Amino acid sequence: EAGVTQFPSHSVIEKGQTVTLRCDPISGHDNLYWYRRVMGKEIKFLLHFVKESKQDESGMPNNRFLAERTGGTYSTLKVQPAELEDSGVYFCASSQEEYTDTQYFGPGTRLTVL
Amino acid sequence: GNSVTQMEGPVTLSEEAFLTINCTYTATGYPSLFWYVQYPGEGLQLLLKATKADDKGSNKGFEATYRKETTSFHLEKGSVQVSDSAVYFCALGLLYNFNKFYFGSGTKLNVKP
Repeated sequence: EAGVTQFPSHSVIEKGQTVTLRCDPISGHDNLYWYRRVMGKEIKFLLHFVKESKQDESGMPNNRFLAERTGGTYSTLKVQPAELEDSGVYFCASSQEEYTDTQYFGPGTRLTVL
Repeated sequence: GNSVTQMEGPVTLSEEAFLTINCTYTATGYPSLFWYVQYPGEGLQLLLKATKADDKGSNKGFEATYRKETTSFHLEKGSVQVSDSAVYFCALGLLYNFNKFYFGSGTKLNVKP
């Protein structure tokens, strides 16, 4: 069974540009989560999808971030326009059940904004 | 609020040395506690967990005990190997809200042969 995959593994962009990160959860997992780790600090929750619906987006930092999960399969996280402080590692995770302590994480996308 | 504080790294040890990575937490509600590990180029993997006070989680020679009185969940291993080199994250999840975890900042462990 394939794990959670993320693309790209690394992205370098200029300030003001747009970047789209993609996450493919484990097949059959209705729950998908985005987290990020900025500047080597703690990993912070961004949002949670149940199928295509946003269940909790309390961690989204501002309206430059847009997450989508059309069709309830893969998800994208768009940053537009990117700022320097957006640099970090963006993790995606998925789970089969909603209230579970078992989330499966992807390898992350390292975003560098210059 | 909810937060996790763990010792800063990097931690550099020789093979077969004893490892302790400190982790303390603050939480509202009834937290479960976790240690995740990230090996180079891989995703976060659950290493061990404890769901209530005085529980001991263990896996691959690593152990951590949920201490409610000291709000701690320190990670220990008696004899580290080079293959244990990774970044270790302490995390908490709340009993009725496992839809988000609260992570510490991570501790990088380097084990030298």
